[in-house]
Amino acid sequence: QPALTQPASVSGSPGQSITISCTGTSSDVGGYNYVSWYQHHPGKAPKLIIFEVTNRPSGVSNRFSGSKSGNTASLTISGLQADDEADYYCSSYATGSILVFGGGTKLTVL
Amino acid sequence: QVQLVQSGAEVKKPGASVMVSCKTSGYTFINHGISWVRQAPGQGLEWMGWTSAYNGNTHYVQKLRGRVTMTTDTSTSTAYMELRSLTSDDTAVYYCARLAVAGSLDAFDIWGQGTMVTVSS
Repeated sequence: QPALTQPASVSGSPGQSITISCTGTSSDVGGYNYVSWYQHHPGKAPKLIIFEVTNRPSGVSNRFSGSKSGNTASLTISGLQADDEADYYCSSYATGSILVFGGGTKLTVL
Repeated sequence: QVQLVQSGAEVKKPGASVMVSCKTSGYTFINHGISWVRQAPGQGLEWMGWTSAYNGNTHYVQKLRGRVTMTTDTSTSTAYMELRSLTSDDTAVYYCARLAVAGSLDAFDIWGQGTMVTVSS
């Protein structure tokens, strides 16, 4: 059972915006600003798209944005493109010096 | 450019051990820790633990303690993950990943290509 809860799937049409939630507890998401998001195309290595809740690594499109409220973090993808279709995972630093992942969300671009 | 290149696929029998290597290049090895993450078929990502390339300190997820060892070789800038007493539940793709910030279990900015480990009798 993943420590962080994500919706199993979301979908949207090209050009639309979607938001993926990631719910934890005060021992992980709510307690630290160390939430990251990864894009994972099957058969490839995961790619970091958001770190420390809101920051984008160099080279990542500004169509990806992150936020957090209480124990829930969110990833928003605006201007959906076909290549955004992938699995998305959140992760968070957690009490006890561990890292936890969400169960993953499959994004379908209609 | 920064790269993490992992060793090839493995097939092991139950009860055996496996060692996966992660050869790094393009950055100062001791400045970043290395974590290991696995993904079982049809499942999500699972964090296994991490090791400091600076001093060799390690921290493993509780469910794997006693079966996993993560090490680094600074002379070759390579990280290793050994998993013992394998069962079918250990069948997964294993990834090494670089910690983006030295000493901080925060984000993983560079990933290896993954190594498929199959445990089957």
